[in-house]
Amino acid sequence: EIVLTQSPGTLSLSPGERATLSCRASQSVSYNYLSWYQQKPGQAPRLLIYGASSRATSIPDRFSASGSGTDFTLTISRLEPEDFAVYYCQQYGSSPPITFGQGTRLEIK
Amino acid sequence: QVQLQESGPGLVKPSETLSLTCTVSGGSINGYHWNWIRQPPGKGLEWIGYIHYSGSTNYNPSLKSRVTISLDTSKKQFSLELSSVTAADTAVYYCARWVFYGGNSDYFDYWGQGTLVTVSS
Repeated sequence: EIVLTQSPGTLSLSPGERATLSCRASQSVSYNYLSWYQQKPGQAPRLLIYGASSRATSIPDRFSASGSGTDFTLTISRLEPEDFAVYYCQQYGSSPPITFGQGTRLEIK
Repeated sequence: QVQLQESGPGLVKPSETLSLTCTVSGGSINGYHWNWIRQPPGKGLEWIGYIHYSGSTNYNPSLKSRVTISLDTSKKQFSLELSSVTAADTAVYYCARWVFYGGNSDYFDYWGQGTLVTVSS
């Protein structure tokens, strides 16, 4: 099983600041099968990034991501009020084929 | 626009079977994997399993002995059955479409709104 560990658990920043979220895998993630999701209270997760670095449709370009192998990063260049939420990484790989990180809560400082 | 909608009882008694259905509208069942994912209150996401449009299934080993996912292509619905439930199965249950491009990428692009299922007597 590939375990995804996200850090930090909680990130406190102000609007306009830059956010850097980390997702570390216990084993190498094949073919960049790594996605990022945003979840707001009472809502389903929303796809932000797939293939480790490709933005999903309608996702603003202040969201970017990079990484390969075991280390992945989601960056939000300038935080907007609507960006404060919980972020999850997700990978496809060995059994179980799909796992999620435990999430990073991005809160307003 | 693809839409997914979960339906089913919001309260299930311990030791009984949880049953949920997801109805897909605005798009085809073909070509995709149809998933169930759950989220206990205040916690993270747990993948339960999927059914491919061809009928093949894959389940989380931690739940495999209790899970069955089935597909009714004529109704554009897929269903989850989770047997012998306990309070630990209390969660918001989401259905979601998973896109898989072998050798390239994978992602969940459409999700239902989620339905809270509480296990309690």
